[in-house]
Amino acid sequence: EVQLQQSGAELVKPGASVKLSCKTSGYTFTNYYMSWLKQMPGQNIEWIGNIYGGNGGTGYNQKFKGKATLTVDKSSSTAYMDLSSLTSEDSAVYFCARGRLQWNVYWYFDFWGPGTMVTVSS
Amino acid sequence: DTVLTQSPALAVSPGERVTISCRASESVNTGVYWYQQKPGQQPKLLIFGASNLESGVPARFSGSGSGTDFTLTIDPVEADDTATYFCQQSWTDPTFGRGTKLELK
Repeated sequence: EVQLQQSGAELVKPGASVKLSCKTSGYTFTNYYMSWLKQMPGQNIEWIGNIYGGNGGTGYNQKFKGKATLTVDKSSSTAYMDLSSLTSEDSAVYFCARGRLQWNVYWYFDFWGPGTMVTVSS
Repeated sequence: DTVLTQSPALAVSPGERVTISCRASESVNTGVYWYQQKPGQQPKLLIFGASNLESGVPARFSGSGSGTDFTLTIDPVEADDTATYFCQQSWTDPTFGRGTKLELK
């Protein structure tokens, strides 16, 4: 059974950074991409970027370049996302999700973690 | 970015048929995906490639469309289907619609 376990809620001060984790099980981590997505309260979902579990290759939404940095630890089948220079606009739920490519063209997300709520407040 | 437009809310009675629409600002071929999200939970994939049912999803759910107009159909609707339904495209970088909240009468 594919499972994605995310780290707990974070309360961080403006200007600080935070590192979120997504520990996986039930599939071969190095054969798939991991994607990260952002959902602000009552708002739609935004794709942040993808990272390949096999070699750490990344692709980012232009909007999140410089804000998010994706990494992986193959030894523990865990993906990480660093968020830097946090502001109130970064307060949201962040999901990790297994990324799939249909016909090598279309990205979609077949298994999602439960999400990590990040609150930026002084 | 490709913008996806969804109606904000629908209300139907159990046992009825409901169609949820998603319109793209430009053609996305068949690169559309549908997700169900219940309050406090993560999204769940229902349909991939516009019309393919994800494994384990009840056959009451179906998807159709190509180009700019897509539809998710639930027939018949059950009480457990109360949720917000999002469409997503990835002809360009992945983007999501703002979701349609389905309520049961």
